[in-house]
Amino acid sequence: NAGVTQTPKFQVLKTGQSMTLQCAQDMNHNSMYWYRQDPGMGLRLIYYSASEGTTDKGEVPNGYNVSRLNKREFSLRLESAAPSQTSVYFCASTSRQGAYEQYFGPGTRLTVT
Amino acid sequence: LAKTTQPISMDSYEGQEVNITCSHNNIATNDYITWYQQFPSQGPRFIIQGYKTKVTNEVASLFIPADRKSSTLSLPRVSLSDTAVYYCLVGEVAGNKLTFGGGTRVLVKP
Repeated sequence: NAGVTQTPKFQVLKTGQSMTLQCAQDMNHNSMYWYRQDPGMGLRLIYYSASEGTTDKGEVPNGYNVSRLNKREFSLRLESAAPSQTSVYFCASTSRQGAYEQYFGPGTRLTVT
Repeated sequence: LAKTTQPISMDSYEGQEVNITCSHNNIATNDYITWYQQFPSQGPRFIIQGYKTKVTNEVASLFIPADRKSSTLSLPRVSLSDTAVYYCLVGEVAGNKLTFGGGTRVLVKP
């Protein structure tokens, strides 16, 4: 039981490049989330998916898109990376809609130059 | 979502009890209080959740007074490995938008 896994662990992009961050969970959770964490700050919600087939914007969705590919996988795409998107990205999941006990992945550290 | 206020940082020593108080004056009737722990370079980890009075698990205790306008996370007999950032969150369990503030950086010294 791996919990929540994220790939890649590290990534460096040039301004304007695109990439997709992958997240998968093996806990049969319904809801999945993407957060970003800037240095010394708390986490901010980018997008979430309350259940398979649905996605909704969080606090900071601009510049990102998401896909809930199936119940296990929830990907985050940066279409045209900007230096302001340099951050650590965390994926999380939970067993029921809106439950506050979320399980987080190890994070992806992204640098945009 | 109720706004929370917690100290920016706290220092302690091994073996001591650490108490972190979080203020949430605008807590709503349906809101729960949840605490997360985050070690450097890791994702946050759920510690404890409560609605009123006292909740205890193998990691911590959560004390909530009757007016629920504040709560205190208590970590008994801390060790160096308890050095982390601790986040207090308040909101409906059925809500989808988990809001993290800046957290409290706890440094445990030998």
